[in-house]
Amino acid sequence: QVQLVQSGAEVKKPGASVRVSCKASGFTFSSYYMQWVRQAPGQGLEWMGLITSSGASTSNAQKFQDRVTMTRDTSTSTVYMELRSLTSEDTAVYYCARGSGFDIWGQGTMVTVSS
Amino acid sequence: DIQMTQSPSAMSASVGDRVTITCRASQDISNYLAWFQQKPGKVPKRLIYAASNLQSGVPSRFSGSGSGTEFTLTISSLQPEDFATYYCLQHNSYPSFGQGTKVDIK
Repeated sequence: QVQLVQSGAEVKKPGASVRVSCKASGFTFSSYYMQWVRQAPGQGLEWMGLITSSGASTSNAQKFQDRVTMTRDTSTSTVYMELRSLTSEDTAVYYCARGSGFDIWGQGTMVTVSS
Repeated sequence: DIQMTQSPSAMSASVGDRVTITCRASQDISNYLAWFQQKPGKVPKRLIYAASNLQSGVPSRFSGSGSGTEFTLTISSLQPEDFATYYCLQHNSYPSFGQGTKVDIK
């Protein structure tokens, strides 16, 4: 079935980086943009950025402009999001989602930033 | 950037009530608007796409309307499983979410 499966929870120290993966199955991965969204504890949904279907281009929310890198590997149908220079404010659940319409979501990856 | 203003931010309602949630965009987004439902600890679920199209498998008591800058999500008769937080999302340009509407039991 159509699904996105994300990597497991992470605990990081301030200043570190985290990479979250999102593996697609059940659809033609190379045909879809992929999006990243995060949700801090008790807060709303926040769009982080997207990567185009070819992987040739990314667009990020200005808030994350210098700290986030999104890549994709067509051979494994996997998209990656790396966030650098972590602070406690980056503690959140990170989601990947399919396409411009966000119709399919991964299960979420909890990233905890704590010293 | 396009700002999405969602109202109300919270509401209390009873089973059987008609519930209306509004999203206003800071500029014209045509019909590039979706609505999501999220229950605590769960993944957001798309209910409506292209402003008024019901996602497959979503009960018909959910409906969406609007275009341009004003959009509405309506639940015609609230059911116990509908108590949740609802978000609008515009994807006309760089995506942005409304701040959410929490619907709880009166």
